[in-house]
Amino acid sequence: AQSVAQPEDQVNVAEGNPLTVKCTYSVSGNPYLFWYVQYPNRGLQFLLKYITGDNLVKGSYGFEAEFNKSQTSFHLKKPSALVSDSALYFCAVRDIGNQFYFGTGTSLTVIP
Amino acid sequence: DGGITQSPKYLFRKEGQNVTLSCEQNLNHDAMYWYRQDPGQGLRLIYYSQIVNDFQKGDIAEGYSVSREKKESFPLTVTSAQKNPTAFYLCASSFPQSRETQYFGPGTRLLVL
Repeated sequence: AQSVAQPEDQVNVAEGNPLTVKCTYSVSGNPYLFWYVQYPNRGLQFLLKYITGDNLVKGSYGFEAEFNKSQTSFHLKKPSALVSDSALYFCAVRDIGNQFYFGTGTSLTVIP
Repeated sequence: DGGITQSPKYLFRKEGQNVTLSCEQNLNHDAMYWYRQDPGQGLRLIYYSQIVNDFQKGDIAEGYSVSREKKESFPLTVTSAQKNPTAFYLCASSFPQSRETQYFGPGTRLLVL
């Protein structure tokens, strides 16, 4: 069965510092991996996805993610955090049956 | 504007009442989804539909019902059988290909009076 794990419920980082939000996955077959961001009382917004090719994927708002097949990980990163990056982040995997499986979310707080 | 709309933004349900949440999209997506979001639990799939007049139960379908009579619309009814309906409900849609992402509506918050 497909599954996604986000091991950290909460990540705190100082403004200007690099940030990482962790995600590991378990899928059968090729993984299609996604990151979304959610601001309070809003829907999820797509940030980036990995389908195939280069292991480093670049997305919206300066975010990027690194796909590591051997570690089955897809960590979200940003070189320099902004206060406005504070939000809830979800990792997801899509299977060939068109279902999406989401992690439990990681709350990111960027401290001024 | 293209996108997914959900209405109402807030919905109040009385004991024993059925309520219906609306979801409409003009993105020409074939697949549509309903999720429930509770604090600390992420998103849980209620129902999904890959084509008009067809839908499948997700992980927590009990107490909910859906219909898919039009490609653009996928309403969710929260029935009186759902004993703990207070949550944030998110609708999403996508193209059927596995490489495609989902697009989400703004959500409906359901509260019990």
